[in-house]
Amino acid sequence: AQTVTQSQPEMSVQEAETVTLSCTYDTSESDYYLFWYKQPPSRQMILVIRQEAYKQQNATENRFSVNFQKAAKSFSLKISDSQLGDAAMYFCAYRSEGSGTYKYIFGTGTRLKVLA
Amino acid sequence: NAGVMQNPRHLVRRRGQEARLRCSPMKGHSHVYWYRQLPEEGLKFMVYLQKENIIDESGMPKERFSAEFPKEGPSILRIQQVVRGDSAAYFCASSPISENTGELFFGEGSRLTVL
Repeated sequence: AQTVTQSQPEMSVQEAETVTLSCTYDTSESDYYLFWYKQPPSRQMILVIRQEAYKQQNATENRFSVNFQKAAKSFSLKISDSQLGDAAMYFCAYRSEGSGTYKYIFGTGTRLKVLA
Repeated sequence: NAGVMQNPRHLVRRRGQEARLRCSPMKGHSHVYWYRQLPEEGLKFMVYLQKENIIDESGMPKERFSAEFPKEGPSILRIQQVVRGDSAAYFCASSPISENTGELFFGEGSRLTVL
């Protein structure tokens, strides 16, 4: 079974600085998708960024980028120029492709605090 | 285009009562997922449904929990004879088709408190 591990329960970053959130996963599959979701306090989850496993190029969305290391099964999220609005829980997620069941597996989350 | 709608947002039940949580997916979405989030924990997969079918219920407790997604109307997560350990936030998410390569769209969650 696939698993997703986020080893940092909490991280802090100074406003305007850069922070990296870690995520590792375990799978025997070769085709899958990886996601980072953001859950602001008392608000719904929103997608931050996604990565297809077959793509070697790391995904980028404005200030958010990932470092996808397929062999190491690592998928970290880098937030540049951190803003107060980035404070939230961040969840890494995995979804298999081709197994016939499109189940998303989430990590336990990393709480990001942004310090003014 | 309305997002994923969950109700009630907050539900209080006494031990032994039944809880019914509803989820209306986004328009055009035929797949619904239910997740449970305990305080300070991640999202635990419960069940994945499409209209009139349960695709994967490997995360559902064997007893007291059931889910459905009828042809008409919202998806319903039903918890019978609730216990204090059922207190959690229950999130629903939807996606358009099974081959969707992108995001799940989440509702704001239903927070169940069992007294």
